Amino acid sequence: DAGITQSPRHKVTETGTPVTLRCHQTENHRYMYWYRQDPGHGLRLIHYSYGVKDTDKGEVSDGYSVSRSKTEDFLLTLESATSSQTSVYFCAIRAWGGNTEAFFGQGTRLTVV
Amino acid sequence: AQSVSQHNHHVILSEAASLELGCNYSYGGTVNLFWYVQYPGQHLQLLLKYFSGDPLVKGIKGFEAEFIKSKFSFNLRKPSVQWSDTAEYFCAVNVGTGNQFYFGTGTSLTVIP
Repeated sequence: DAGITQSPRHKVTETGTPVTLRCHQTENHRYMYWYRQDPGHGLRLIHYSYGVKDTDKGEVSDGYSVSRSKTEDFLLTLESATSSQTSVYFCAIRAWGGNTEAFFGQGTRLTVV
Repeated sequence: AQSVSQHNHHVILSEAASLELGCNYSYGGTVNLFWYVQYPGQHLQLLLKYFSGDPLVKGIKGFEAEFIKSKFSFNLRKPSVQWSDTAEYFCAVNVGTGNQFYFGTGTSLTVIP
C-alpha cells in the first residue's frame, strides 16, 4: 500500500465547530486530493493540490478549505461543521505525469451531530 | 465538466456467473481510465487502468476492461465471479494531463455463494 496516513480515522463533532482532517504521505507525490464519499454519490472531489501552497477547488468545495504547507501534508478544514458534512473523507495522492493513478488513504469517518 | 456514468447501481450475482459493469464518460479528448474496487470497510484500491495502447486491459483478480473510444465506454468484465468479489466498484477518468479525477457513483456488487 502507498504511504498515506489519514488522521483521525473517526471523529464525532458538534455542529458549528471547526474540524481539521490531516493527510500525510511518504511518497513525495506532487498531487494530493480530498474526496468525500456518500451513498448514491460516489466520490466527489472537494479540493486538490498540485504542489506546496498550490490548491484548487473541486466540485463540492463550499464549507471546506485546505492547506498544503509542505509536500507531505494536506489538511482539510471544515470551517463550521454542519450535519450535511457527515461523510467518509478520503485522501488520495498521485505522482507527477499524465499516466499515473491515484492511491487512496484509509478514510476518515466524520459524524457531525 | 467531465462526467462519468455507471449504469448499474446494484448488481447481485451467483458465484461463477459472468460480470459486466458499464462505465461511460463524457470527455472527447485524451483520457486515462481506471476501475477501483472498495471492499467493505476498506479504502479504494486500483483494479486496472488504461492509458494507451491495447484497448483490452487486464487487472488483478481476473478482471479486465475494454476501452471503446467510439462509445466513450470502459466496461469492466470478469468471466466468473467469486463471493470474495463482493464490493463496490468505481469507474474513474482523468483527462489527459489534467489534475482532476472524476468518479462515477459506483456499483455495488453482491455475489451469492
